[in-house]
Amino acid sequence: AQSVTQLGSHVSVSEGALVLLRCNYSSSVPPYLFWYVQYPNQGLQLLLKYTSAATLVKGINGFEAEFKKSETSFHLTKPSAHMSDAAEYFCAVRLDDKIIFGKGTRLHILP
Amino acid sequence: NAGVTQTPKFRVLKTGQSMTLLCAQDMNHEYMYWYRQDPGMGLRLIHYSVGEGTTAKGEVPDGYNVSRLKKQNFLLGLESAAPSQTSVYFCASSYSTQPQHFGDGTRLSIL
Repeated sequence: AQSVTQLGSHVSVSEGALVLLRCNYSSSVPPYLFWYVQYPNQGLQLLLKYTSAATLVKGINGFEAEFKKSETSFHLTKPSAHMSDAAEYFCAVRLDDKIIFGKGTRLHILP
Repeated sequence: NAGVTQTPKFRVLKTGQSMTLLCAQDMNHEYMYWYRQDPGMGLRLIHYSVGEGTTAKGEVPDGYNVSRLKKQNFLLGLESAAPSQTSVYFCASSYSTQPQHFGDGTRLSIL
């Protein structure tokens, strides 16, 4: 069975600092992996997706994620945090016809 | 483009009452999903559908029923609401293995 684990339910970074949100997956086959963002009182928006074409995936709003098979990881990064990045971020994996979500990481940006 | 529209946006019910949440998508997507989101739990899949006339159980199906009579609509029913069903409900749709498009959610409170 596939699942995802997000390390840290809350992460705080200073404005302008590196953002690193961690996601590890468990899978016996190459997975489809996603990162979504949720702003307050809204639904989820796709940030980026990994579908085995390239290990480094670039998404919207300056985010990117690197698929590392040896570490079973798909961590999300952004070089310089902006106040508008404050939101909840979800890692997800496709399992057959379903998408299974991690429990989410709330990102706080400190001025 | 409306995308995914959920109706209603807010609702308060008494224990034992019934109601139906409506999800409508205008993207001709085959797949549709219902999730519930609770603090610290991420999104949990309730039921999903891979095409008109089909439904399947997700991770937390108990207490809910669904119907997909038309391709563009996916209905979620609560026959006898319980306080444990207080949550934010999200509908999503997609083409098969592609990422999902989400609605803005329905906030449901059961007293």
